Amino acid sequence: DARVTQTPRHKVTEMGQEVTMRCQPILGHNTVFWYRQTMMQGLELLAYFRNRAPLDDSGMPKDRFSAEMPDATLATLKIQPSEPRDSAVYFCASGLNGGELFFGEGSRLTVL
Amino acid sequence: TQLLEQSPQFLSIQEGENLTVYCNSSSVFSSLQWYRQEPGEGPVLLVTVVTGGEVKKLKRLTFQFGDARKDSSLHITAAQPGDTGLYLCAGKIQVHNNNDMRFGAGTRLTVKP
Repeated sequence: DARVTQTPRHKVTEMGQEVTMRCQPILGHNTVFWYRQTMMQGLELLAYFRNRAPLDDSGMPKDRFSAEMPDATLATLKIQPSEPRDSAVYFCASGLNGGELFFGEGSRLTVL
Repeated sequence: TQLLEQSPQFLSIQEGENLTVYCNSSSVFSSLQWYRQEPGEGPVLLVTVVTGGEVKKLKRLTFQFGDARKDSSLHITAAQPGDTGLYLCAGKIQVHNNNDMRFGAGTRLTVKP
């Protein structure tokens, strides 16, 4: 049963700490998206990869956020340093050639 | 401001009622998708519409894509408690020669038994 796997599911950290979220896309998918979801803003696009190349990260605060795909089986989203306003649920989604997106269960981040 | 505006933001109805939720934009989309999200889970695709004026039916759910491909609606007939969830529309839009998938903020539907 193919699915997108995200870790950690929950993370509580203190302001200023580094946070790394990981995503394993579905095998064979060539697009990976990172979204952030809050009640106020809904689902915001942070970064988008196609064939491991970053295509759009305009929605991501560059001073503290970074997104990478070291290989086809792993995408990472890093926040350094984290701030309370980063508290949200972070979703990774993968797809094939612009079709349906398959979402992971999300990483709920709380920054105190 | 959201690229895709969804309305209403919240909707609470009784089982058996009909409802329509809307997704509007000033931008033209090459395709538009509707997803449903349940608490603690990621969104799951319901349907993709591609052609202006297209209507798709999925059991009690009817999806319509506007003629100009800027808006869409989702109509649910005889709603059931199992329809409760967050309904999200997502549009594929070209940004810097790449196709991004942008989401609306969603309509949170509660169907009471």
